[in-house]
Amino acid sequence: AQSVTQLDSQVPVFEEAPVELRCNYSSSVSVYLFWYVQYPNQGLQLLLKYLSGSTLVKGINGFEAEFNKSQTSFHLRKPSVHISDTAEYFCAVTGSGGYQKVTFGIGTKLQVIP
Amino acid sequence: GAVVSQHPSWVICKSGTSVKIECRSLDFQATTMFWYRQFPKQSLMLMATSNEGSKATYEQGVEKDKFLINHASLTLSTLTVTSAHPEDSSFYICSASPAGGPNEQFFGPGTRLTVL
Repeated sequence: AQSVTQLDSQVPVFEEAPVELRCNYSSSVSVYLFWYVQYPNQGLQLLLKYLSGSTLVKGINGFEAEFNKSQTSFHLRKPSVHISDTAEYFCAVTGSGGYQKVTFGIGTKLQVIP
Repeated sequence: GAVVSQHPSWVICKSGTSVKIECRSLDFQATTMFWYRQFPKQSLMLMATSNEGSKATYEQGVEKDKFLINHASLTLSTLTVTSAHPEDSSFYICSASPAGGPNEQFFGPGTRLTVL
């Protein structure tokens, strides 16, 4: 079984400031990790994913995340946010072997302040 | 690539009627499709997993007879909410996992269901 913890339910940040959205996971097996963004009344859009290889993963819209196995974390970062980044962000985890369910965190609302 | 569509995007129905939501993988074959429900300001809750040509696997607490899932082809899965009631009002999102690929899912845009 897996679980995902997103430590912050809301993160306010000023425009052009850096941001980090935190995600920790627990799993007894090797994992794949994902970050999704959801804009109001829309589905989920994949920002980035870690399947294997380099632990620093770059995604769309200038976001990146680093997989830290020892700390079981997959924090999402952006060096300079824009108003358009205001949205809900979900961290998700699934096992890497065969089919396993995807487990989502509760989400972090990123509010970019002009 | 890896585009998933849902239809309709928004539906209003009267209490007691049934509503069908379609989920299609447009540019890949999906052995497995998933149906999620999302309440306001909450995360996604997995309702069921459907595999092409077999019965869906429902999560604990999800009524099989109320939420009928059919996965008739490698590109189409349908969710029918039978005898809908106001408490069924929610945002329903499907996802699809490509055949033969790693365990990752591609999400549809969601369907907003409002039952009056």
